[in-house]
Amino acid sequence: DQQVKQNSPSLSVQEGRISILNCDYTNSMFDYFLWYKKYPAEGPTFLISISSIKDKNEDGRFTVFLNKSAKHLSLHIVPSQPGDSAVYFCAASGQGGKLIFGQGTELSVKP
Amino acid sequence: ETGVTQTPRHLVMGMTNKKSLKCEQHLGHNAMYWYKQSAKKPLELMFVYNFKEQTENNSVPSRFSPECPNSSHLFLHLHTLQPEDSALYLCASSQETSGGPEQFFGPGTRLTVL
Repeated sequence: DQQVKQNSPSLSVQEGRISILNCDYTNSMFDYFLWYKKYPAEGPTFLISISSIKDKNEDGRFTVFLNKSAKHLSLHIVPSQPGDSAVYFCAASGQGGKLIFGQGTELSVKP
Repeated sequence: ETGVTQTPRHLVMGMTNKKSLKCEQHLGHNAMYWYKQSAKKPLELMFVYNFKEQTENNSVPSRFSPECPNSSHLFLHLHTLQPEDSALYLCASSQETSGGPEQFFGPGTRLTVL
């Protein structure tokens, strides 16, 4: 039973446009949600997080939105750049420092 | 060296071999983690160490044996592995398990079991 799901395995966006990556979760006890970015042959890199008591967190071109009633979060990247092309993982934080990851969405930003 | 480093980056081993993966963090963190990433699957947590004590073993087979001699180093000892154990093994660290949720990852070891 997967508690964190990213239903879109891939997304293609034109440079300069908005990229929206989605993530759904089932456990209402998660207290933090995080987004990681992963390039091939590298480990995941922390991007941005949001506490479960907030509904929005913004950091430069990256904004994460949390909809607790729908158990849904999304990452918006605007404007998208070719260097943003990577696999994006959402993760939820539970007890004891455990992170539960989604399957990842591969973002391709085309020039 | 900065961040989280892992060696080796690539490893090919037979099912009867014994090998070890090494992870080192230079961030002053007190918690360290092993994850497994198989193709097309989410990262799976294997082990958690907090202040050198193992606090989580996520039902990992005994052919994987972790060791944490201090807060900066983490090993994963491998023996009599199976081909289905071929995966990317990632190490991560964080301040401590009860602190902020952000974990910082190493580049991973790509393991192939023949």
